[in-house]
Amino acid sequence: GQQVMQIPQYQHVQEGEDFTTYCNSSTTLSNIQWYKQRPGGHPVFLIQLVKSGEVKKQKRLTFQFGEAKKNSSLHITATQTTDVGTYFCAGPSGSEKLVFGKGTKLTVNP
Amino acid sequence: DAGVIQSPRHEVTEMGQEVTLRCKPISGHNSLFWYRQTMMRGLELLIYFNNNVPIDDSGMPEDRFSAKMPNASFSTLKIQPSEPRDSAVYFCASSFVVTGDSYEQYFGPGTRLTVT
Repeated sequence: GQQVMQIPQYQHVQEGEDFTTYCNSSTTLSNIQWYKQRPGGHPVFLIQLVKSGEVKKQKRLTFQFGEAKKNSSLHITATQTTDVGTYFCAGPSGSEKLVFGKGTKLTVNP
Repeated sequence: DAGVIQSPRHEVTEMGQEVTLRCKPISGHNSLFWYRQTMMRGLELLIYFNNNVPIDDSGMPEDRFSAKMPNASFSTLKIQPSEPRDSAVYFCASSFVVTGDSYEQYFGPGTRLTVT
């Protein structure tokens, strides 16, 4: 079945450093979604990318969808302690289903 | 809107007992998803409903798990009998789908289940 792989699994940074997580799919995706889960919380939708090569920004967060629509990345500029959490990418797997990556757990040292 | 509501938030039970998890999706949403999250396996889709009809239950681990959605505002996930390996956080999520494509999902706060 379809798989969505994320790297790295863990990332520890000093506050103010940049952070990037990568997502790769075994198949071409019609869209890709990103979610954030704070420690002890639940996944919260961040953004959906649809177009090949699309780049979207949300303040310090930059999301990119690959040209072949099989990979995506999330980049955070100048991390803050509020960025702590696990970031998941998710791709559709037939109809309404989503397949989630294992996530990248980000910790930030103040 | 109150968002997706799940109950109970925490459940501790003994092996062999029946466990029922409850979910109220966001009003107006027509798709509902049950997920299980563990450190080892990550976030796994167990089953999802569209317009109260189960569409895909291929993620349900075994016959001990069952799910129902009697109406648009309520769903249950039942485990009978429960086993220690069922210990996990169970999330319910809802979404509004128009064309059968995947749309943003809104997750509930989850139920942390511990089976001793």
